[in-house]
Amino acid sequence: DGGITQSPKYLFRKEGQNVTLSCEQNLNHDAMYWYRQDPGQGLRLIYYSQIVNDFQKGDIAEGYSVSREKKESFPLTVTSAQKNPTAFYLCASSPELQETQYFGPGTRLLVL
Amino acid sequence: AQSVAQPEDQVNVAEGNPLTVKCTYSVSGNPYLFWYVQYPNRGLQFLLKYITGDNLVKGSYGFEAEFNKSQTSFHLKKPSALVSDSALYFCAVRDNFNKFYFGSGTKLNVKP
Repeated sequence: DGGITQSPKYLFRKEGQNVTLSCEQNLNHDAMYWYRQDPGQGLRLIYYSQIVNDFQKGDIAEGYSVSREKKESFPLTVTSAQKNPTAFYLCASSPELQETQYFGPGTRLLVL
Repeated sequence: AQSVAQPEDQVNVAEGNPLTVKCTYSVSGNPYLFWYVQYPNRGLQFLLKYITGDNLVKGSYGFEAEFNKSQTSFHLKKPSALVSDSALYFCAVRDNFNKFYFGSGTKLNVKP
């Protein structure tokens, strides 16, 4: 987990509320990723970014948004349009897009 | 369709015995192959990867993996299991378009 931090560890969302998950890395990596983990389904890619001010949709981007204003930061917003947000969210980074990914400790999102 | 399969949801092994966690893939071209380990409520930790060269790859914590191109497999192995190896293991594949695919995970239980 070293070098990549995610906060908070647990996050609670109320109906109709947008929430933002933080991801910061001090590894000087160009590429960053957001995954969602559900039991028995492995990891599914939400969004990824190859470089600052650029990002691409992954397999399950609907109901989520991201920004990449700084190299170190890649926050994920779970919008009210995401009807089933309860999951474990993992952020990762890599030196370049095709290199080994290194993961943060994760944020567990729960719906009240 | 591109995919990664981990056919066993759970593998049980006694401490000191050899272990194998299976992974097969269906990805075109010459993929890069990875193994990650996840402890409860934590992010994924990189174990090892295969890009090219020797089919037997050695990684962290005494783990190794064998790449078999004809069988499109990349099984994770360890000669002597430890109780502390108990965790969730993920196989991942990167295709020629730099996209990553993760398996659904295999829970390894090592009993004393």
